[in-house]
Amino acid sequence: SQTIHQWPATLVQPVGSPLSLECTVEGTSNPNLYWYRQAAGRGLQLLFYSVGIGQISSEVPQNLSASRPQDRQFILSSKKLLLSDSGFYLCAWSFGGFSEQYFGPGTRLTVT
Amino acid sequence: AQRVTQPEKLLSVFKGAPVELKCNYSYSGSPELFWYVQYSRQRLQLLLRHISRESIKGFTADLNKGETSFHLKKPFAQEEDSAMYYCALSVGQGGSEKLVFGKGTKLTVNP
Repeated sequence: SQTIHQWPATLVQPVGSPLSLECTVEGTSNPNLYWYRQAAGRGLQLLFYSVGIGQISSEVPQNLSASRPQDRQFILSSKKLLLSDSGFYLCAWSFGGFSEQYFGPGTRLTVT
Repeated sequence: AQRVTQPEKLLSVFKGAPVELKCNYSYSGSPELFWYVQYSRQRLQLLLRHISRESIKGFTADLNKGETSFHLKKPFAQEEDSAMYYCALSVGQGGSEKLVFGKGTKLTVNP
């Protein structure tokens, strides 16, 4: 069966510091991968998605970037964090060509 | 533009009462819709999808294309149904499917 992992679970970082959040999927190959930010009252905002290694689509302009160095690894990064980057970040995967997505446990990021 | 609207941020009912969580969508193509649920301290998980026409945990949802709605219903709410519920619309095709989510409805079922 497939599983999805995210780490760290929580992170507190000062403004201006770099960021790296990691997401890994097991038990499947060539999944579609997604990064979301979940905010109270705002729902889930799709940040990036990837249909293959090195293929990244950005949904909203922002201070963040994403990379997919391996088939089942998806990384969310920032060179310099802003206060507004605080939030709950979710990674998800789906089988290519299918809409149903499966979510990871999330990372709570607090920028101080 | 593709959009999902959940008009109620909060919904509170008593145990045993019927519950309906509203979802309306805007999409020019053939819609594929989902309901996701997030219980306290748990990850977001799929509750049901319209193409399956299934009942999960007593919940059902019917796609009404005329009203562009996909409301989630349960005849008798239970305390364990208390959670955050998100309606989602699938957009895109050919391997590039994405989900557009509503802002969610927090359901509280009181004893």
